Amino acid sequence: EDKVVQSPLSLVVHEGDTVTLNCSYEVTNFRSLLWYKQEKKAPTFLFMLTSSGIEKKSGRLSSILDKKELSSILNITATQTGDSAIYLCAALTAQKLVFGQGTRLTINP
Amino acid sequence: DSGVTQTPKHLITATGQRVTLRCSPRSGDLSVYWYQQSLDQGLQFLIQYYNGEERAKGNILERFSAQQFPDLHSELNLSSLELGDSALYFCASSVRDRGLGEQYFGPGTRLTVT
Repeated sequence: EDKVVQSPLSLVVHEGDTVTLNCSYEVTNFRSLLWYKQEKKAPTFLFMLTSSGIEKKSGRLSSILDKKELSSILNITATQTGDSAIYLCAALTAQKLVFGQGTRLTINP
Repeated sequence: DSGVTQTPKHLITATGQRVTLRCSPRSGDLSVYWYQQSLDQGLQFLIQYYNGEERAKGNILERFSAQQFPDLHSELNLSSLELGDSALYFCASSVRDRGLGEQYFGPGTRLTVT
């Protein structure tokens, strides 16, 4: 059965800290690894990673895929209260998107 | 704003009833995906359509069905509703088929079954 596991499930840090969120996957016909941010409602797309070892960056957020280890990390530097959200990782297969349970990130001022 | 629209935003109905959720994909997107998000199950893939044809099925109950119309909008029909069907239902769209490309999510329809 296809499975995506994220850790930690919940993380509380202070504004300005750097955080690393983890995602591991075990799926058939893997195509890509996606990260989404979910605040109040719909998930919003952050990154799609297809190649191993190539870091993708967007401002203070960056992510990298390790196909050998079947895992990915999402880094957020200099965190702000607006980064508080649930971060979802999903493995894209030939047929569907399999989501992890999410990491609830809380940034305290 | 992702460009994907869903109606209605909220729906409250009784057990045993039937409801229809509607989704319009982003302009140019041919694939539509339906997801269910509940507190205990997380985000679960239900079904995918590409250009009017069913392409993939996930954890969709037999009481649920969907279709995609020639104008590419999609409807998810939920019948014989049970309390456990209460959830947020998302639609997402993408340009290509079979997960080839990132998916953009609509705002969701919150269904409450009483």
